[in-house]
Amino acid sequence: DIVMTQSPDSLAVSLGERATINCKSSQSVLYSSNNKNYLAWYQQKPGQPPKLLIYWASTRESGVPDRFSGSGSGTDFTLTISSLQAEDVAVYYCQQYYSTPEITFGPGTKVDIK
Amino acid sequence: QVQLVQSGAEVKKPGASVKVSCKASGYTFTSYDINWVRQATGQGLEWMGWMNPNSGNTGYAQKFQGRVTMTRNTSISTAYMELSSLRSEDTAVYYCARVASSGYYYFDYWGQGTLVTVSS
Repeated sequence: DIVMTQSPDSLAVSLGERATINCKSSQSVLYSSNNKNYLAWYQQKPGQPPKLLIYWASTRESGVPDRFSGSGSGTDFTLTISSLQAEDVAVYYCQQYYSTPEITFGPGTKVDIK
Repeated sequence: QVQLVQSGAEVKKPGASVKVSCKASGYTFTSYDINWVRQATGQGLEWMGWMNPNSGNTGYAQKFQGRVTMTRNTSISTAYMELSSLRSEDTAVYYCARVASSGYYYFDYWGQGTLVTVSS
């Protein structure tokens, strides 16, 4: 199994400031034949299902604000919220789909307002 | 618009089974695989398995092999997840999720979740 880890477990950021979440996979999720990273990011607010934000490590899902961006390759990835808004308070999960269909999620990072 | 609507909350006794439904609308049900993911209170997301609604083919996480069964009824665009031999550790919210792109298991639409409580 590909094990996903995230850091930090939680962070508090002032409104308008940058939030950075890291995700690491136990093996590369970069598929050499198409040069794509099989990595997605989700946002989950309390009492709601997860919402897809980013796939292919850096492709923003339709309708997702451009303050959300994903970067990284191989085993190390980052989700950045460039200017934190109140509505961004949530838990963020990374997920690898390199080993489709046996996908795995990271443990989550909680983002709060400082 | 695409929607996945799940059945309501359940309370079960240890050793019993539960069957959760996930009714799809707004797209061709047989064209996208459905996965099931669960989340215990305050915990992370745990993948349980997948089902191809067209063929009925399934695959389950090792942890749930022998206890979980995923089925569908294409005439009513509904997927089902049945979990047997329930124990207290199975208390969680269960989600169905649609695979966004064939062969690539990230999920673009999710059901609202079904709380299953296992308690004597």
